[in-house]
Amino acid sequence: EAQVTQNPRYLITVTGKKLTVTCSQNMNHEYMSWYRQDPGLGLRQIYYSMNVEVTDKGDVPEGYKVSRKEKRNFPLILESPSPNQTSLYFCASSPTRESYNEQFFGPGTRLTVL
Amino acid sequence: AQSVSQHNHHVILSEAASLELGCNYSYGGTVNLFWYVQYPGQHLQLLLKYFSGDPLVKGIKGFEAEFIKSKFSFNLRKPSVQWSDTAEYFCAVNPGSGNTGKLIFGQGTTLQVKP
Repeated sequence: EAQVTQNPRYLITVTGKKLTVTCSQNMNHEYMSWYRQDPGLGLRQIYYSMNVEVTDKGDVPEGYKVSRKEKRNFPLILESPSPNQTSLYFCASSPTRESYNEQFFGPGTRLTVL
Repeated sequence: AQSVSQHNHHVILSEAASLELGCNYSYGGTVNLFWYVQYPGQHLQLLLKYFSGDPLVKGIKGFEAEFIKSKFSFNLRKPSVQWSDTAEYFCAVNPGSGNTGKLIFGQGTTLQVKP
């Protein structure tokens, strides 16, 4: 089944404890992206990747890192999480960055930083 | 800055009522437009999209949307809603030129359908 998977689905952590949220897609998509969803703000892009080893900042990149060493994986790294990073995170992928492409979303990761 | 506005934040309807959710965007160039739906506890799924051609777009589950370029709008409609349509709905824009693949989302509209 074609899908985007994320792990973990739920995570409660404490301020400053490094964490990684994994994202994997099995559709051979070039483009991958991370969004965060906050009430009243919709989804905002954190980072994106147009292909392996090509990543760039989205609208809200502060406090996050990403890497794209393989086409299928695009982990999101929080080196020193803070409470304002408590949010619902979605990974997405699409065949290419072309604007007409549908983006396929993962199931989401609900992160709470205490 | 590019933005997307959804005017209805929370809509409550009875089953069989008609639905129209507003979406306006601020971007003067070519755009590609999407409506995504998020059912409770699930990930976002594409309802429909517009990138060229007929401005009236039909999607899944009986939804449709009309692109009106002069009004910068892409409103979502359904003639008769069902309880199973209870969900959050997001309008999104992907600018056509110089794009980075980023989707710009509206704030979302929560639809509650009463049986």
